[in-house]
Amino acid sequence: RKEVEQDPGPFNVPEGATVAFNCTYSNSASQSFFWYRQDCRKEPKLLMSVYSSGNEDGRFTAQLNRASQYISLLIRDSKLSDSATYLCVVNKNSGGYQKVTFGIGTKLQVIP
Amino acid sequence: DVKVTQSSRYLVKRTGEKVFLECVQDMDHENMFWYRQDPGLGLRLIYFSYDVKMKEKGDIPEGYSVSREKKERFSLILESASTNQTSMYLCASSPPPAYEQYFGPGTRLTVT
Repeated sequence: RKEVEQDPGPFNVPEGATVAFNCTYSNSASQSFFWYRQDCRKEPKLLMSVYSSGNEDGRFTAQLNRASQYISLLIRDSKLSDSATYLCVVNKNSGGYQKVTFGIGTKLQVIP
Repeated sequence: DVKVTQSSRYLVKRTGEKVFLECVQDMDHENMFWYRQDPGLGLRLIYFSYDVKMKEKGDIPEGYSVSREKKERFSLILESASTNQTSMYLCASSPPPAYEQYFGPGTRLTVT
């Protein structure tokens, strides 16, 4: 089983729609969680951290479910500019340093 | 503004050549990482470094080596390039404890 699993998509949604992605992780000792965004032919950039209490940044909401070992990203009122690949990232302590694992990413295409 | 630069955007090398990929960051970050990104496989960690002259193997270190002689510079070396090393190579840096990673623009390496 992969350490971090994501549905690669693509998710094709109309403008204005709400879309949600999930990401599951296999190691219960994982400590910190993030969503990155990667535009086509560009480098990944941090979108938001994911906290146990959940967090919101404008139209974006991230949540963590430790019991079921998944994190989610909800995008409301989708814009054309939200089209990108969304990467789930999981960190855990390993031998005194942070081991970082990226998911393969979920591709989102927002259509007019 | 954090800047991570990589020596080349595109590189074409022949099988058996020694290849050097350079990465420089200007934010005095302790941590630096080398990844490769392939369709359907996502970002995979090759090597990382938490300090000058320190290196740790990532998930796929075979066929690669690294060098970190100065804090701002992290080099990836392909001792004898092979066609299966054709990929997008991404360098990243982060302050401890490696929460937010800042990526360079990537080097698309083709080995023929």
